Amino acid sequence: SQTIHQWPATLVQPVGSPLSLECTVEGTSNPNLYWYRQAAGRGLQLLFYSVGIGQISSEVPQNLSASRPQDRQFILSSKKLLLSDSGFYLCAWSKGSLDTEAFFGQGTRLTVV
Amino acid sequence: KQEVTQIPAALSVPEGENLVLNCSFTDSAIYNLQWFRQDPGKGLTSLLLIQSSQREQTSGRLNASLDKSSGRSTLYIAASQPGDSATYLCAVRANSKLTFGKGITLSVRP
Repeated sequence: SQTIHQWPATLVQPVGSPLSLECTVEGTSNPNLYWYRQAAGRGLQLLFYSVGIGQISSEVPQNLSASRPQDRQFILSSKKLLLSDSGFYLCAWSKGSLDTEAFFGQGTRLTVV
Repeated sequence: KQEVTQIPAALSVPEGENLVLNCSFTDSAIYNLQWFRQDPGKGLTSLLLIQSSQREQTSGRLNASLDKSSGRSTLYIAASQPGDSATYLCAVRANSKLTFGKGITLSVRP
């Protein structure tokens, strides 16, 4: 069966510090991978998605970047965090075809202080 | 641009009540619609997936319907229980993207 791992679960970082959140999927190959941010009262916002290694699509201009160094690994990064980067970050995956179900990780609560 | 709306934002019902959660979307060109449950501070758990060619899906006490032409979906929860208390989100897929509503926070009172 497929599983998705996301870590860390919580993170408190000072403004201006770097960020690296990691997501890995097991039990499938060539998944579509996604990073979402959930801010209070604003719902889930798609940040990045990837349909293959090295292929990253960005949905909104922001202080963050994403990379996919391996087939089942998706990393969310920042060189310098802003207060506005605080939020709940969720990684998700789905199979490559467009009509399939999406599955989410348990999320990372990021607080920038 | 696809927009997904869930109204009301919050709902409180007594235990045992049957209830319907609504979801509407503006662009009917979707591949599927998915309902999720989110407990506080947790990730999303997939409840039901309805393909664009389907009208409904059932899982236990949950039944989801889809009317693609009118841009609507409903999640029916039968005989609600306190353990059903959570936020319920619907999401529609077009191309490679899932667009979410803001969710309905359900509280089932014992």
